[in-house]
Amino acid sequence: ETGVTQSPTHLIKTRGQQVTLRCSSQSGHNTVSWYQQALGQGPQFIFQYYREEENGRGNFPPRFSGLQFPNYSSELNVNALELDDSALYLCASSLAGPYTSGNTIYFGEGSWLTVV
Amino acid sequence: AQSVTQLDSQVPVFEEAPVELRCNYSSSVSVYLFWYVQYPNQGLQLLLKYLSGSTLVKGINGFEAEFNKSQTSFHLRKPSVHISDTAEYFCAVSEKAAGGTSYGKLTFGQGTILTVHP
Repeated sequence: ETGVTQSPTHLIKTRGQQVTLRCSSQSGHNTVSWYQQALGQGPQFIFQYYREEENGRGNFPPRFSGLQFPNYSSELNVNALELDDSALYLCASSLAGPYTSGNTIYFGEGSWLTVV
Repeated sequence: AQSVTQLDSQVPVFEEAPVELRCNYSSSVSVYLFWYVQYPNQGLQLLLKYLSGSTLVKGINGFEAEFNKSQTSFHLRKPSVHISDTAEYFCAVSEKAAGGTSYGKLTFGQGTILTVHP
């Protein structure tokens, strides 16, 4: 039990549609990151939010966007879905800041997205 | 930028045998090193991490890993595996930011599927 919960666990969307995935971080964590894990691959960093501001982005197009709320829950939004967006989307939370080097990052169980 | 290479995509082994899962990394800055395990249809669970100090790190479930700076490796080992260790294992790194701040952006390897046979 990591204290990070994600919803929905599974969903199917049609190409061109939009999707919102949600994450509730572990209590007290101020940082949330999202990762995409395609079948048979390692997770790829999408972006990170620290205290409600985007704090870094991986190699993903602008149609991948996010929000972090004051209660440290967060959303991942994907517009204009493509077939290649089919993947497991993982949310990870941690406590970041000065002198917090190497703090444990906790992952949720993920949201499986299938685009047809 | 960092990169992680897991040298074996699949490792089959018999129960109670030892196992080593290999990981090499590349980075222009100092990094922290991690091993995560992923059971079928689940998220990632931290096995162990190397931050500093002793190069031999012990983790959960009897796993340990050794950091070798000269070879830029962080291999995972277990002296005797169980059927329940069957899972996918990921090696990951994150950059040591200046000033001691860490935001924990992880770069993962492609994963190694460990299959333990009876």
